Amino acid sequence: AQSVTQPDIHITVSEGASLELRCNYSYGATPYLFWYVQSPGQGLQLLLKYFSGDTLVQGIKGFEAEFKRSQSSFNLRKPSVHWSDAAEYFCAVGEKGSGRRALTFGSGTRLQVQP
Amino acid sequence: EAQVTQNPRYLITVTGKKLTVTCSQNMNHEYMSWYRQDPGLGLRQIYYSMNVEVTDKGDVPEGYKVSRKEKRNFPLILESPSPNQTSLYFCASRLRQGATSGANVLTFGAGSRLTVL
Repeated sequence: AQSVTQPDIHITVSEGASLELRCNYSYGATPYLFWYVQSPGQGLQLLLKYFSGDTLVQGIKGFEAEFKRSQSSFNLRKPSVHWSDAAEYFCAVGEKGSGRRALTFGSGTRLQVQP
Repeated sequence: EAQVTQNPRYLITVTGKKLTVTCSQNMNHEYMSWYRQDPGLGLRQIYYSMNVEVTDKGDVPEGYKVSRKEKRNFPLILESPSPNQTSLYFCASRLRQGATSGANVLTFGAGSRLTVL
């Protein structure tokens, strides 16, 4: 069964600093990978996705993520964090084939941004 | 605007009082799903539906029911709510698997926060 691990429950960075959120997955083949963001009181918004091809994917709001098959990782990065990036971030793996389960989510990383 | 709409957004109820959380999407999506979000656990799937009249259990289905009589609607039913069902609930939808490269992208509703006393 597929699974997703986000080892950092809570991260605090200063505004303008760079950011990297870690995500490791377990899946038998090349997965579909996603990062979602949840702002306080809001639903989940898709930041970016990886299906195939170029392992460095660009998303919205200046985020990017790199798929590393050898490390089973899909870490999210941003070169300069803005105060509005404070939110909870979820990594997810999608099931190929029947797609019955659609997505399996990690437990999330809460990002706090200091002025 | 393409969206998934959930109602109610907030609800406080008491143990044993049946309730329904509605979910409606206007994107003609075949697939719909319910998740619950709890601190430290991320989102866990409750039930999903591949199409009209086709539903199946997710990872945490106990205490919940669903129905899919129409393509656009996928209500979540708590026949006899208990305090351990206090949670934030999300409905989501997408196209059927393989329709396009974006078929796996779920669109989420804004969430329904449920408290069971």
